[in-house]
Formats: sequence, C-alpha cells, structure tokens
Amino acid sequence: TQLLEQSPQFLSIQEGENLTVYCNSSSVFSSLQWYRQEPGEGPVLLVTVVTGGEVKKLKRLTFQFGDARKDSSLHITAAQPGDTGLYLCAGARTYKYIFGTGTRLKVLA
Amino acid sequence: DVKVTQSSRYLVKRTGEKVFLECVQDMDHENMFWYRQDPGLGLRLIYFSYDVKMKEKGDIPEGYSVSREKKERFSLILESASTNQTSMYLCASSLVGLADSYEQYFGPGTRLTVT
Repeated sequence: TQLLEQSPQFLSIQEGENLTVYCNSSSVFSSLQWYRQEPGEGPVLLVTVVTGGEVKKLKRLTFQFGDARKDSSLHITAAQPGDTGLYLCAGARTYKYIFGTGTRLKVLA
Repeated sequence: DVKVTQSSRYLVKRTGEKVFLECVQDMDHENMFWYRQDPGLGLRLIYFSYDVKMKEKGDIPEGYSVSREKKERFSLILESASTNQTSMYLCASSLVGLADSYEQYFGPGTRLTVT
C-alpha cells in the first residue's frame, strides 16, 4: 500500500512558469522531507518540515507542511532548466521514512 | 564532503544467480538503508541497519538479505535473482535517531537487470 501519493506524476513546463507539486496521505507524519534526484544520481535532501502549517523557502522553492501533518506542497516560482529532476516527498515514521511516488519535472528552455 | 559509494553503477545477472550489492559510507553513520526504486512507486525500503550486525526488515524484504559486518559497509544480497528484481537499488546512510531528526545521504544507485 502506497501511503504517500504525489501529483502530478509528470510535469513539462516552459522556463519562467510557476508550478506546484502535491504530496498527500491519509496518515499523519511527524515530519516530512523533500528530495530532488537528477539522472544517474541518488536523491539529495532539499528541506525538512516538522511543524503543522510550517512554510520554508529555499530561493525560488517554497515548501509547506499541512496543518494536520498529512500533506505537503512544493511550489517553484519562475522555473529554470536546472530545476529539472525527480522530486520525492518522504514522511517520517519512527525510525524510517516512507517515500512518495515521485513527480518528474522537465523545464524547457 | 560526505560520500556514499556503491560497488557498481550497472549490473546484468542471470535468473537464479546470487547477487551482491555493496555500499560503503565514509561519514561514520550508524544507520544504513537499502531501497529499490521503480517508476511510479518511488523508493521502497528493503532493509535497514542501525548498528553493526543489526538489521531490520523494511517494507519489501522478500527475496533479499543483508549483511553489516563493519560500520561503514552494508551489503544487499539477492540469494537467487529473479526478473522481478530488475530495478534501481539505492543505498543511504544517516546518523542515528528518530526519522524526523536525520538527513539521509544517498549513493548514486546500481541499476540491476536480471535476464
């Protein structure tokens, strides 16, 4: 059973556009992480959100943890080709993380 | 610079072969993990280890075993490879603690094809 669903699964946009990726669950998580994975590499951590309602910004990326700690979103402003990659959310469960299904983003120049 | 290395980037094996995937980290981390990554399914945890010689089953341990004889090395073993084990395998390490207190560092992955 997949506990974390991401949407959309694929996204292809033009440089300069804005986008939002969603990570949804029926389960509560103590924290949630977002990773980005580029081709041929392992995932790299972007951010960890811990408190319900928390918003964190990383340059043009804005991350939000839902009030009930069951969902999260990643918003990218003015996307650039360098943002291309696979975005993964991961919810904390005791000693391990449960990963989402992934969103593959392609930003066209 | 932190580093997790995996023994092979690409591997092709035949059905029924015994396969060893090796992972080494140089960060003195207590926790180590093995995941498999399949399109549309994200990363699924196979096994993790929180100390030398200690291991815990993840969500999909069937058909796999692991070995951790030294702190820096975590091996994934496919006792008798099958075609449904064709996948990308990712190793990760982290400091000890509850999940919401640590960052996982990943290796580059091994793409295994079983024919």
